[in-house]
Amino acid sequence: DGGITQSPKYLFRKEGQNVTLSCEQNLNHDAMYWYRQDPGQGLRLIYYSQIVNDFQKGDIAEGYSVSREKKESFPLTVTSAQKNPTAFYLCASSTTVETGGYTFGSGTRLTVV
Amino acid sequence: GQQVMQIPQYQHVQEGEDFTTYCNSSTTLSNIQWYKQRPGGHPVFLIQLVKSGEVKKQKRLTFQFGEAKKNSSLHITATQTTDVGTYFCAADFGNEKLTFGTGTRLTIIP
Repeated sequence: DGGITQSPKYLFRKEGQNVTLSCEQNLNHDAMYWYRQDPGQGLRLIYYSQIVNDFQKGDIAEGYSVSREKKESFPLTVTSAQKNPTAFYLCASSTTVETGGYTFGSGTRLTVV
Repeated sequence: GQQVMQIPQYQHVQEGEDFTTYCNSSTTLSNIQWYKQRPGGHPVFLIQLVKSGEVKKQKRLTFQFGEAKKNSSLHITATQTTDVGTYFCAADFGNEKLTFGTGTRLTIIP
């Protein structure tokens, strides 16, 4: 079955450490996205990529970095510069050929202590 | 930046009552999408509305897109316990990405 896989489901890190969240899709989607979700808030866009080797900043990119070396993969690094990294991180993908809904992964819950 | 306002933030209803959530934008939208997120889960795509004045139905769910393509609503008739979750609208301003509303969290009183 096609889908998006995010790993790990839960992640704990010490303050000051960088951490990389994995996102892999086998849907053959060109576009991939990273969103952050905090309690009581909607989804806020961190980074997105419409094509391999290209990506754009979203609304809250500071303290994050991404790469898109393969169509299937869009890893997100939460750096020590991110002031409030504890959150639920969601990866999504979509086609660019025609408009349609996003397919989301099951998310990674990051806790920084 | 471009924003979409969603109300209410929370809604508690008796099982069997109806439920409605609304989204509003100050800018005309290319399209609007709706998602449902169950507690502890991830958002799942429900539907996309593209045309002015469009109305779509999925069983007990009715989705509307305003004539000016600036607002949308989701109405659930006769809620059931399976409807529990947070409902998000997501606006496409024609800039290659979606902007999500803050969501309406629906709880059902049995």
